[in-house]
Amino acid sequence: DVKVTQSSRYLVKRTGEKVFLECVQDMDHENMFWYRQDPGLGLRLIYFSYDVKMKEKGDIPEGYSVSREKKERFSLILESASTNQTSMYLCASSFGSLNQPQHFGDGTRLSIL
Amino acid sequence: AQKITQTQPGMFVQEKEAVTLDCTYDTSDQSYGLFWYKQPSSGEMIFLIYQGSYDEQNATEGRYSLNFQKARKSANLVISASQLGDSAMYFCAMRTPDAGGTSYGKLTFGQGTILTVHP
Repeated sequence: DVKVTQSSRYLVKRTGEKVFLECVQDMDHENMFWYRQDPGLGLRLIYFSYDVKMKEKGDIPEGYSVSREKKERFSLILESASTNQTSMYLCASSFGSLNQPQHFGDGTRLSIL
Repeated sequence: AQKITQTQPGMFVQEKEAVTLDCTYDTSDQSYGLFWYKQPSSGEMIFLIYQGSYDEQNATEGRYSLNFQKARKSANLVISASQLGDSAMYFCAMRTPDAGGTSYGKLTFGQGTILTVHP
Protein backbone atom coordinates (compact mmCIF):
# COMPACT_ATOMS: atom_id res chain seq x y z
CA ASP A 1 0.00 0.00 0.00
CA VAL A 2 1.13 3.52 -0.77
CA LYS A 3 1.99 5.48 2.31
CA VAL A 4 2.12 9.26 2.43
CA THR A 5 3.07 10.50 5.88
CA GLN A 6 2.66 14.05 7.11
CA SER A 7 4.73 14.96 10.13
CA SER A 8 1.94 16.45 12.26
CA ARG A 9 -1.80 15.94 12.45
CA TYR A 10 -2.39 19.16 14.41
CA LEU A 11 -0.14 22.17 14.76
CA VAL A 12 -0.52 25.51 16.52
CA LYS A 13 1.88 28.35 15.71
CA ARG A 14 2.09 32.08 16.27
CA THR A 15 1.90 34.90 13.76
CA GLY A 16 5.30 35.66 12.26
CA GLU A 17 6.81 32.24 12.98
CA LYS A 18 8.49 30.20 10.27
CA VAL A 19 6.56 26.95 9.94
CA PHE A 20 7.71 23.70 8.36
CA LEU A 21 5.31 20.98 7.22
CA GLU A 22 6.96 17.74 6.21
CA CYS A 23 5.70 15.03 3.88
CA VAL A 24 7.27 11.66 3.06
CA GLN A 25 6.13 9.04 0.55
CA ASP A 26 7.35 5.48 0.16
CA MET A 27 6.31 4.61 -3.42
CA ASP A 28 9.07 6.25 -5.44
CA HIS A 29 6.58 8.70 -6.94
CA GLU A 30 8.17 11.43 -9.00
CA ASN A 31 5.35 13.92 -8.41
CA MET A 32 4.54 15.50 -5.07
CA PHE A 33 1.99 18.18 -4.21
CA TRP A 34 0.90 20.49 -1.42
CA TYR A 35 -2.74 21.61 -1.16
CA ARG A 36 -4.71 23.63 1.31
CA GLN A 37 -8.34 22.86 1.99
CA ASP A 38 -10.83 25.45 3.19
CA PRO A 39 -14.62 25.09 3.60
CA GLY A 40 -16.49 25.87 0.38
CA LEU A 41 -13.28 26.20 -1.66
CA GLY A 42 -12.28 22.57 -2.15
CA LEU A 43 -8.58 21.80 -2.47
CA ARG A 44 -6.29 24.46 -3.88
CA LEU A 45 -2.81 23.69 -5.13
CA ILE A 46 0.00 25.60 -3.44
CA TYR A 47 3.14 24.09 -4.97
CA PHE A 48 4.14 20.90 -6.71
CA SER A 49 7.31 19.12 -7.76
CA TYR A 50 8.06 16.71 -10.61
CA ASP A 51 11.51 15.72 -9.46
CA VAL A 52 14.19 16.31 -6.89
CA LYS A 53 15.14 19.98 -6.60
CA MET A 54 12.34 20.95 -9.00
CA LYS A 55 9.34 23.00 -7.96
CA GLU A 56 6.45 24.70 -9.68
CA LYS A 57 3.98 27.25 -8.38
CA GLY A 58 0.40 26.17 -8.08
CA ASP A 59 -2.65 28.39 -7.85
CA ILE A 60 -1.96 30.03 -4.49
CA PRO A 61 1.82 30.11 -3.82
CA GLU A 62 1.99 33.49 -2.11
CA GLY A 63 3.39 33.28 1.40
CA TYR A 64 4.71 29.74 0.90
CA SER A 65 7.86 28.05 -0.34
CA VAL A 66 8.84 24.42 -0.77
CA SER A 67 11.89 22.20 -0.70
CA ARG A 68 12.54 18.84 -2.32
CA GLU A 69 16.07 17.67 -1.57
CA LYS A 70 15.22 13.97 -1.75
CA LYS A 71 12.72 12.17 -3.97
CA GLU A 72 10.65 10.88 -1.08
CA ARG A 73 10.39 14.13 0.89
CA PHE A 74 8.56 17.36 0.08
CA SER A 75 8.49 20.18 2.62
CA LEU A 76 6.13 23.15 2.74
CA ILE A 77 7.43 26.31 4.43
CA LEU A 78 5.39 29.22 5.68
CA GLU A 79 8.01 31.96 5.69
CA SER A 80 6.19 34.23 8.15
CA ALA A 81 2.93 32.67 9.29
CA SER A 82 -0.22 34.76 9.19
CA THR A 83 -3.70 34.09 10.53
CA ASN A 84 -5.11 33.69 7.00
CA GLN A 85 -2.90 30.63 6.61
CA THR A 86 -4.93 28.77 9.22
CA SER A 87 -6.17 25.80 7.23
CA MET A 88 -5.99 22.08 6.56
CA TYR A 89 -2.85 21.20 4.55
CA LEU A 90 -2.76 18.05 2.46
CA CYS A 91 0.27 16.46 0.84
CA ALA A 92 -0.07 14.07 -2.11
CA SER A 93 2.16 12.06 -4.42
CA SER A 94 1.70 10.22 -7.71
CA PHE A 95 3.33 8.83 -10.80
CA GLY A 96 3.18 11.19 -13.78
CA SER A 97 0.82 9.34 -16.11
CA LEU A 98 -2.77 10.28 -16.83
CA ASN A 99 -4.54 7.43 -15.07
CA GLN A 100 -2.49 7.38 -11.88
CA PRO A 101 -4.35 8.76 -8.86
CA GLN A 102 -2.75 11.04 -6.35
CA HIS A 103 -2.31 9.45 -2.94
CA PHE A 104 -2.83 11.71 0.05
CA GLY A 105 -1.51 11.97 3.55
CA ASP A 106 -3.86 12.35 6.52
CA GLY A 107 -3.51 16.13 6.52
CA THR A 108 -2.18 18.70 8.97
CA ARG A 109 -4.67 21.01 10.62
CA LEU A 110 -2.65 24.19 11.16
CA SER A 111 -3.81 27.03 13.40
CA ILE A 112 -1.97 30.36 13.38
CA LEU A 113 -2.73 32.46 16.45
CA ALA B 1 -8.48 27.14 -17.79
CA GLN B 2 -9.63 23.88 -16.25
CA LYS B 3 -12.67 23.91 -14.03
CA ILE B 4 -14.67 21.38 -12.03
CA THR B 5 -18.15 22.21 -10.78
CA GLN B 6 -20.05 20.29 -8.14
CA THR B 7 -23.42 21.98 -7.75
CA GLN B 8 -24.70 19.98 -4.78
CA PRO B 9 -23.27 21.27 -1.49
CA GLY B 10 -25.12 18.52 0.39
CA MET B 11 -27.05 15.34 -0.43
CA PHE B 12 -29.12 12.99 1.69
CA VAL B 13 -29.88 9.36 0.93
CA GLN B 14 -31.59 6.51 2.73
CA GLU B 15 -29.47 3.49 3.57
CA LYS B 16 -29.52 0.82 0.80
CA GLU B 17 -30.70 3.29 -1.84
CA ALA B 18 -28.63 4.58 -4.75
CA VAL B 19 -27.42 8.18 -4.99
CA THR B 20 -25.89 10.26 -7.78
CA LEU B 21 -23.37 13.01 -7.10
CA ASP B 22 -23.04 15.52 -9.92
CA CYS B 23 -19.83 16.75 -11.51
CA THR B 24 -19.34 18.85 -14.63
CA TYR B 25 -15.99 19.85 -16.03
CA ASP B 26 -14.54 22.30 -18.48
CA THR B 27 -11.36 21.81 -20.49
CA SER B 28 -10.18 22.34 -24.03
CA ASP B 29 -7.80 19.38 -23.82
CA GLN B 30 -8.74 16.20 -25.70
CA SER B 31 -6.87 13.96 -23.29
CA TYR B 32 -7.85 14.17 -19.64
CA GLY B 33 -8.69 12.01 -16.67
CA LEU B 34 -11.49 12.30 -14.13
CA PHE B 35 -11.20 11.11 -10.54
CA TRP B 36 -13.50 10.83 -7.56
CA TYR B 37 -12.24 10.96 -3.98
CA LYS B 38 -13.98 10.38 -0.65
CA GLN B 39 -13.03 12.34 2.46
CA PRO B 40 -14.52 11.03 5.73
CA SER B 41 -14.70 13.29 8.77
CA SER B 42 -11.29 11.96 9.84
CA GLY B 43 -9.77 13.93 6.95
CA GLU B 44 -7.93 11.45 4.74
CA MET B 45 -8.60 11.53 0.99
CA ILE B 46 -9.50 8.13 -0.44
CA PHE B 47 -9.33 7.48 -4.18
CA LEU B 48 -12.52 5.84 -5.46
CA ILE B 49 -12.67 5.66 -9.25
CA TYR B 50 -11.05 6.89 -12.48
CA GLN B 51 -12.38 7.60 -15.99
CA GLY B 52 -10.18 8.51 -18.95
CA SER B 53 -11.46 10.78 -21.69
CA TYR B 54 -10.90 8.08 -24.32
CA ASP B 55 -12.52 5.29 -22.31
CA GLU B 56 -15.66 4.12 -24.09
CA GLN B 57 -17.08 2.23 -21.14
CA ASN B 58 -18.19 3.84 -17.91
CA ALA B 59 -15.82 2.98 -15.06
CA THR B 60 -17.02 0.78 -12.22
CA GLU B 61 -15.40 -0.15 -8.90
CA GLY B 62 -17.60 -2.26 -6.66
CA ARG B 63 -20.56 -0.12 -5.56
CA TYR B 64 -19.15 2.94 -7.35
CA SER B 65 -19.76 3.70 -11.00
CA LEU B 66 -19.05 6.78 -13.04
CA ASN B 67 -21.72 8.02 -15.44
CA PHE B 68 -19.50 9.63 -18.09
CA GLN B 69 -21.24 11.81 -20.67
CA LYS B 70 -18.47 13.35 -22.72
CA ALA B 71 -20.62 15.58 -24.92
CA ARG B 72 -22.23 17.11 -21.84
CA LYS B 73 -18.89 17.24 -20.00
CA SER B 74 -20.31 15.48 -17.00
CA ALA B 75 -18.82 12.73 -14.83
CA ASN B 76 -21.37 11.87 -12.17
CA LEU B 77 -20.59 9.39 -9.40
CA VAL B 78 -23.24 6.78 -8.68
CA ILE B 79 -23.12 4.95 -5.35
CA SER B 80 -25.38 1.91 -5.23
CA ALA B 81 -26.79 0.35 -2.06
CA SER B 82 -25.65 3.22 0.20
CA GLN B 83 -24.16 2.34 3.58
CA LEU B 84 -23.82 4.44 6.72
CA GLY B 85 -20.06 4.44 6.16
CA ASP B 86 -20.56 6.26 2.86
CA SER B 87 -21.34 9.46 4.79
CA ALA B 88 -18.45 11.76 3.82
CA MET B 89 -17.37 14.64 1.58
CA TYR B 90 -16.93 13.62 -2.07
CA PHE B 91 -14.64 15.45 -4.49
CA CYS B 92 -14.55 15.29 -8.26
CA ALA B 93 -11.17 16.11 -9.83
CA MET B 94 -9.67 16.39 -13.30
CA ARG B 95 -6.17 15.87 -14.59
CA THR B 96 -5.06 17.46 -17.86
CA PRO B 97 -1.69 17.72 -19.61
CA ASP B 98 0.71 20.17 -18.03
CA ALA B 99 2.19 23.08 -19.97
CA GLY B 100 4.21 21.49 -22.75
CA GLY B 101 1.72 18.65 -22.96
CA THR B 102 4.20 15.91 -22.14
CA SER B 103 3.26 15.02 -18.60
CA TYR B 104 0.29 14.79 -16.31
CA GLY B 105 0.61 16.01 -12.79
CA LYS B 106 -1.83 18.49 -11.35
CA LEU B 107 -5.40 17.82 -10.35
CA THR B 108 -8.14 20.44 -10.37
CA PHE B 109 -10.76 19.81 -7.68
CA GLY B 110 -14.39 20.77 -7.32
CA GLN B 111 -15.77 22.26 -4.12
CA GLY B 112 -17.11 18.93 -2.90
CA THR B 113 -20.48 17.43 -1.95
CA ILE B 114 -21.29 16.30 1.59
CA LEU B 115 -23.23 13.05 1.50
CA THR B 116 -25.26 11.98 4.51
CA VAL B 117 -26.67 8.46 4.63
CA HIS B 118 -29.70 8.02 6.91
CA PRO B 119 -30.51 4.67 8.55
